Amino acid sequence: DVKVTQSSRYLVKRTGEKVFLECVQDMDHENMFWYRQDPGLGLRLIYFSYDVKMKEKGDIPEGYSVSREKKERFSLILESASTNQTSMYLCASSPGDGLLAKNIQYFGAGTRLSVL
Amino acid sequence: ILNVEQSPQSLHVQEGDSTNFTCSFPSSNFYALHWYRWETAKSPEALFVMTLNGDEKKKGRISATLNTKEGYSYLYIKGSQPEDSATYLCAFIADNFNKFYFGSGTKLNVKP
Repeated sequence: DVKVTQSSRYLVKRTGEKVFLECVQDMDHENMFWYRQDPGLGLRLIYFSYDVKMKEKGDIPEGYSVSREKKERFSLILESASTNQTSMYLCASSPGDGLLAKNIQYFGAGTRLSVL
Repeated sequence: ILNVEQSPQSLHVQEGDSTNFTCSFPSSNFYALHWYRWETAKSPEALFVMTLNGDEKKKGRISATLNTKEGYSYLYIKGSQPEDSATYLCAFIADNFNKFYFGSGTKLNVKP
């Protein structure tokens, strides 16, 4: 079974802190994604990566950065956390054969981040 | 950003009821539609991948249909059970945009 593991289920941080959300997948997938999910909105793509050290902006990258130094690990960084970044964050991975978006994604269980 | 809409937002049914909900998406540039089930405190899991107009997929009591010309997909659950309680998400993939566009989901609650 594919496993996507997010380092924390719940996280509470203060405004202005630097926050790291870690995601690890064990299926040798090329593609990895970070989403946030807010009430009444669909999953919104923050960043994705199709290879080590490669990254692409999604629909809402402002206030975030990412790092992919190893194939299995994709980190989301909030450089200076703000209250409007309080949300559920989901990491996902998918195989890299062909069109990035054609394959189903395998998700982690999510990290619920509260910024006070 | 493409608009993908799911309705209703939430649904409460009794155990044994059959139910259905809708995912609406742009009818042009269709590549694929995915359905996911997201149970509370768990990871979203893929249910179906649908690629052709007229596709029908089935997994146990859950089935889905696809109409790409009019831009909608239906998800049906026959004889709902409490374990079907979850949020059901659809994701639209356009052939000219290399990413997923998720709807906001339909939250289903099945009462015993």
